[in-house]
Amino acid sequence: DVKVTQSSRYLVKRTGEKVFLECVQDMDHENMFWYRQDPGLGLRLIYFSYDVKMKEKGDIPEGYSVSREKKERFSLILESASTNQTSMYLCASTKTYRQTQYFGPGTRLLVL
Amino acid sequence: AQTVTQSQPEMSVQEAETVTLSCTYDTSESDYYLFWYKQPPSRQMILVIRQEAYKQQNATENRFSVNFQKAAKSFSLKISDSQLGDAAMYFCAYMDSNYQLIWGAGTKLIIKP
Repeated sequence: DVKVTQSSRYLVKRTGEKVFLECVQDMDHENMFWYRQDPGLGLRLIYFSYDVKMKEKGDIPEGYSVSREKKERFSLILESASTNQTSMYLCASTKTYRQTQYFGPGTRLLVL
Repeated sequence: AQTVTQSQPEMSVQEAETVTLSCTYDTSESDYYLFWYKQPPSRQMILVIRQEAYKQQNATENRFSVNFQKAAKSFSLKISDSQLGDAAMYFCAYMDSNYQLIWGAGTKLIIKP
């Protein structure tokens, strides 16, 4: 079975802090994604990566950056956390774009 | 731009009965994929079913089936013999020609014992 893990289930940070969210997949998937999930808005794509060191902006990249130094690991960085970044963050991966995306358990981030 | 609409924020169904969750989408493309994902409380998002637009036959997975109406741009999910474990948020998603998923807002499904 594909396994996608995220470094934390819950995080509480203060405004202005730098926040790192990490995602690891164990199935040698090329493509990895970071989504933000808010009630009534579904999932919105922040960034995705189709290869090591490659990244593409999604629909809402402002205030976020990403890093993919190894194939299995995709990090989401909030350079200076703000209260409007309080949300659930979901990581996903897939072998090829047309295949099913496999999700991690999510990180619920609260920025105070 | 493509959009996905789930008009039912919440649905409830008696255990063992059948429920249908609606999803409509807007696109000018002819080749695409559609998905239903399930997110149980505090658990991971998992794929329920997928449909390729070029296939006329509706996809089925055990108790889950879809009613895909391409001309009407409708993609509803039917759950037969509802079970307590079916309680979850259900998301409809459209995959565009750039292979990006566009998500609906979700429907919360409540199963009454």
